[in-house]
Amino acid sequence: AQSVTQLDSQVPVFEEAPVELRCNYSSSVSVYLFWYVQYPNQGLQLLLKYLSGSTLVESINGFEAEFNKSQTSFHLRKPSVHISDTAEYFCAVSERASGGSYIPTFGRGTSLIVHP
Amino acid sequence: NAGVTQTPKFQVLKTGQSMTLQCAQDMNHEYMSWYRQDPGMGLRLIHYSVGAGITDQGEVPNGYNVSRSTTEDFPLRLLSAAPSQTSVYFCASSRRGQPQHFGDGTRLSIL
Repeated sequence: AQSVTQLDSQVPVFEEAPVELRCNYSSSVSVYLFWYVQYPNQGLQLLLKYLSGSTLVESINGFEAEFNKSQTSFHLRKPSVHISDTAEYFCAVSERASGGSYIPTFGRGTSLIVHP
Repeated sequence: NAGVTQTPKFQVLKTGQSMTLQCAQDMNHEYMSWYRQDPGMGLRLIHYSVGAGITDQGEVPNGYNVSRSTTEDFPLRLLSAAPSQTSVYFCASSRRGQPQHFGDGTRLSIL
């Protein structure tokens, strides 16, 4: 069974600074990887995904994540954050296995707090 | 295209009461799931379904019941509400291996 560890529960950062939110996973088979964002009092929205192909994936609002199979990681990065990026970020993994459920497992979340 | 619709958005129950949280999707997704979100715990899977007539338990199924009679609907039933079930509940749908689409959540308080 898969598992996800988000190493930081809270990441405070100043506006325009770079940020990295860390995510490690555990699985015995190939995986799909996702990052979701949750703004206050809202549901989760997909930020970016790795299904196959290029290990570096990007979102439309400047975030990127790199799938590192040897380190079983999928860290999320942004070179310059905005106040509006303040939100909860969730990493998720689902196993790509014949007969598997494909239902993702979520990490506990990282609260990104951007200060002016 | 409404996506995933959850009702109600808010609910207060007394201990021992039962209720059903509704979830409907209009994207013809075969996969549907229910999660609960608690502070510091992330999202925990309650039950899921991989198609009409097929359901299975997730990580925290006790005290909850589901059924999937149609592709569109996946209701979650609380059999006898307990204060420990106070939480925010999210329903999600997807195609196999694809990202999930989430509803806006139901905020449930059990007194």
